Parts: sequence; structure tokens; C-alpha cells
Amino acid sequence: GENVEQHPSTLSVQEGDSAVIKCTYSDSASNYFPWYKQELGKRPQLIIDIRSNVGEKKDQRIAVTLNKTAKHFSLHITETQPEDSAVYFCAASSTGTASKLTFGTGTRLQVTL
Amino acid sequence: DTEVTQTPKHLVMGMTNKKSLKCEQHMGHRAMYWYKQKAKKPPELMFVYSYEKLSINESVPSRFSPECPNSSLLNLHLHALQPEDSALYLCASSPVGVPGNTIYFGEGSWLTVV
Repeated sequence: GENVEQHPSTLSVQEGDSAVIKCTYSDSASNYFPWYKQELGKRPQLIIDIRSNVGEKKDQRIAVTLNKTAKHFSLHITETQPEDSAVYFCAASSTGTASKLTFGTGTRLQVTL
Repeated sequence: DTEVTQTPKHLVMGMTNKKSLKCEQHMGHRAMYWYKQKAKKPPELMFVYSYEKLSINESVPSRFSPECPNSSLLNLHLHALQPEDSALYLCASSPVGVPGNTIYFGEGSWLTVV
């Protein structure tokens, strides 16, 4: 089955700095890579996703890159703000009848003033 | 409307009780999911229903029994649970056969087994 590794487990940045979270996956059949943000006591919320036919996707301060050859994908947050503080999960799945998402272990991002 | 609704939000049950978690979506999604999330851990897939049929069971103990009465509803029946089953139970839904199959999560049901 799929295995997703995520690093770092914790990340502390100053407000305005950039944050980068990296994930690797094992199953070459995986073709969909979402990122979820989970605030304390809340549900995971999709913030950005990328499909295997695209190398990079950007949405305002958030960008995701995908290297299919190396089986790496990364989340980049620029100009971080205190409200970016949360746990971020990467995930991978292959699309079919229904998605079977495998999550990374999570990164706790702390944005300090 | 990207809304998945779960009830109850909080549930405390004894080890001999029978209870159910309920989930509803009106996005026309034909895949629905149950995930379990323990503190400081990622969500773990439990069950997947596709077109109202169980398509994936991740070797979940039989004390958890899923049910999909129709394309909008998903239940999780609970019986003889253990304290270690205390967790956040997340329902989710997604389209089927759409490249990407974005999964939308409900708010979750916080379960405490005493």
C-alpha cells in the first residue's frame, strides 16, 4: 500500500517568513496530492491540491510543487501570518471509483510575531 | 455548498452501550468515507462506500458497523467499544470518477468511551 512521509514534524517561523513542508510517497500509481490544514479541534480543510499531470500550482500565498520522478511534493507558504498556525497534512491517493487517501504524519506550524 | 454534516458533535458512551454516528451530504457525491483520528495523529481510513456499496474496509473491528441507507446518508453503528476507541470520527464525501476526487470532511464527532 501507499506510504507517505512528511517532514518536518514541527516548524516555527516568524511572521512574514516562508514555510516549506515536504512529503514523499511510495506508490507510483498515486496521482492526486491534496494538502489539508487542521486547526485545533476543527476538521481538516483542503487548502490546495495538485494532480500528477501538473508540476506546480499556486493560490495566493500558497503553492505546491510535485516531482513525480522523485516522488516528492512540497507545500510552500509565503508571507506567513499568525492565522497560518495549524497542523498541515499532506496526502496521496490514486483516483478510481473512490479516493483512498493516505495521509502524512502532519506538521505543526507555529507562526510567531 | 461543500457541506458534510455530522451528528452528534460529542458522544460519551459506556462499553456496553449501542450508539450511532450519522453523516449527511447534499453535494451529490457518490463516495462516502469514515475516518478515525486520534490526538496528534493523521486521519486513518476506516470504510469507503461507493455508490452505496461498501468498497473498502480497512480491517476495522466488527464493533464498528457502517451503513449507507442512501446516497446522502452514512451511519456508523457502535457496539461494545473499548476506551481506546475514543477519538474524533470524521465523515467525508467525494465525487466518484472525477480526476482528483477531492474529499470534503465533516466537522467530526468526538467520541469518548468510558
